[in-house]
Amino acid sequence: AQTVTQSQPEMSVQEAETVTLSCTYDTSESDYYLFWYKQPPSRQMILVIRQEAYKQQNATENRFSVNFQKAAKSFSLKISDSQLGDAAMYFCAYREAGGSEKLVFGKGTKLTVNP
Amino acid sequence: NAGVTQTPKFQVLKTGQSMTLQCAQDMNHEYMSWYRQDPGMGLRLIHYSVGAGITDQGEVPNGYNVSRSTTEDFPLRLLSAAPSQTSVYFCASSLWTAGTNVLTFGAGSRLTVL
Repeated sequence: AQTVTQSQPEMSVQEAETVTLSCTYDTSESDYYLFWYKQPPSRQMILVIRQEAYKQQNATENRFSVNFQKAAKSFSLKISDSQLGDAAMYFCAYREAGGSEKLVFGKGTKLTVNP
Repeated sequence: NAGVTQTPKFQVLKTGQSMTLQCAQDMNHEYMSWYRQDPGMGLRLIHYSVGAGITDQGEVPNGYNVSRSTTEDFPLRLLSAAPSQTSVYFCASSLWTAGTNVLTFGAGSRLTVL
């Protein structure tokens, strides 16, 4: 079974600085998708960014970018110019290709942004 | 367009009671699913459905029952609540096609079983 590991239970960053959240995963599949979700105190799960495993180019969404290392099974999230509104739990998630919609989540990283 | 609507937002039950968490979506999504979120555990899949009349088990299905009589609704039933089912429950939906479809989540339902 696939597993997703987030080794940093908590992280903190100064406002306007850059922070990187780590995620590793285990799978024997060659085609899959990876996601980062944000969960603010409101509990709403919000998609931050997604990556297709067959694409070598790292995904970017404004201040959010990923470092996808397929051979190392690593999928880290970089947040640039951190803002107070970025404070939240961040979850890394894996999904097989082939039409399966089942997500496997990591345990999350709590990000604190200090003013 | 309301997206994914979950009710109730909060519920307290006594051990052995039954209840149904409601989930409705107005986006004509084929795929719907239920996750539970426990402290330090991330989200885990309980049950899912790829269309009306079709359901299947996820990672942690025991103690829960689902049915999918319409495309819009996917209720989660607890037949005899146990304290171990204290959790936050999320319903999610997406279009059922291969590719990078993104799950749309509801706002969650916090359940406490005493």
